[in-house]
Amino acid sequence: AQSVTQPDIHITVSEGASLELRCNYSYGATPYLFWYVQSPGQGLQLLLKYFSGDTLVQGIKGFEAEFKRSQSSFNLRKPSVHWSDAAEYFCAVGARYGNKLVFGAGTILRVKS
Amino acid sequence: GAVVSQHPSWVICKSGTSVKIECRSLDFQATTMFWYRQFPKQSLMLMATSNEGSKATYEQGVEKDKFLINHASLTLSTLTVTSAHPEDSSFYICSARDLGGAGSTEAFFGQGTRLTVV
Repeated sequence: AQSVTQPDIHITVSEGASLELRCNYSYGATPYLFWYVQSPGQGLQLLLKYFSGDTLVQGIKGFEAEFKRSQSSFNLRKPSVHWSDAAEYFCAVGARYGNKLVFGAGTILRVKS
Repeated sequence: GAVVSQHPSWVICKSGTSVKIECRSLDFQATTMFWYRQFPKQSLMLMATSNEGSKATYEQGVEKDKFLINHASLTLSTLTVTSAHPEDSSFYICSARDLGGAGSTEAFFGQGTRLTVV
């Protein structure tokens, strides 16, 4: 069965500190992996995606993610968090081009000054 | 990036009435759109795949007679929740894939619709 696990429901980090959001997936075929961010009242914005190639993927807003097939993980990282990064983050796996995505439950990021 | 607009952003309706949610791709054409539902503190779950000019494909467990999907044009798909009940209260969000040009590698999401049935 296809599934995505985001073990952390809430994470609080200080502004300027590093961040890592965890994501583990289960998918029967070649996984296409995505990270989205959602601010209150807003739609989902794509941060980055992995289809193939280099397992370290760079995204927008200074985010990156590393695909580790052996661990079935696709963790999101940022070296220095800004207050504007406070939002909910979703990891997703699915078919190519973002079709028919299976989402994790999301991780709410809070940034304290 | 491409823009997907969803309307309304939130709606409150009485139990037993029907509610229509629109999903529009504003600056691109989308043969396929996807409808998701999110319960509080849960994942977004795919409800159905909407194909322009043909019937929607529903995921297992989704009632097609309750959640009517129409995709009449390449820029508009609608989801109608018929005879809504409080358990239908949820966050509904659509996505659309940009078919234009080579290298279209993502689906774009609308801002979602918060439905509350009272």
